[in-house]
Amino acid sequence: DQQVKQNSPSLSVQEGRISILNCDYTNSMFDYFLWYKKYPAEGPTFLISISSIKDKNEDGRFTVFLNKSAKHLSLHIVPSQPGDSAVYFCAARSDQTGANNLFFGTGTRLTVIP
Amino acid sequence: EPEVTQTPSHQVTQMGQEVILRCVPISNHLYFYWYRQILGQKVEFLVSFYNNEISEKSEIFDDQFSVERPDGSNFTLKIRSTKLEDSAMYFCASSEVKELFFGEGSRLTVL
Repeated sequence: DQQVKQNSPSLSVQEGRISILNCDYTNSMFDYFLWYKKYPAEGPTFLISISSIKDKNEDGRFTVFLNKSAKHLSLHIVPSQPGDSAVYFCAARSDQTGANNLFFGTGTRLTVIP
Repeated sequence: EPEVTQTPSHQVTQMGQEVILRCVPISNHLYFYWYRQILGQKVEFLVSFYNNEISEKSEIFDDQFSVERPDGSNFTLKIRSTKLEDSAMYFCASSEVKELFFGEGSRLTVL
């Protein structure tokens, strides 16, 4: 049951350009969304989050956009750096249901080419 | 910076054996979790733990799995009788509110 989907398994971007990672969800009860970054042999590292009451949240080079009507969110990284090369996971949760577990997408492998 | 630590980093076991994976969550966090990632697949929720009891569990978390907080710092995942399909990276996480912080994972290989 894929409640969170990342349809692009991989993305390659030139250093200095913008990276856009996309995520779609199906559960309308989700109201909090997170992006995690994962290097090989390490655990996911929290990057940025957004509540459903917002449509944009920015933290340095990272911006997350949420389109609730389309059930779509995206992570923009600008400018992209070689150190950003990793697998990026979108995750979602529902505070309305009182559940506190996260549902993860399958990840997108970002490669930033120097 | 506080972090979640997990041991062992890698465990190899025979099918049918019991395995205990250990985690030390971030000290002021109240919610604890176990997730797993089978090679090439997504990160999957197993169980969450709050106030010394399981708050949620997934279908994966069947009777072969159990969690415990034996003292004030450790949080363990026990697999009673391992199966080949239990081979995966197991991630412990903890949270204060909404953002989960993950450990580096324990790789379990069942032969």
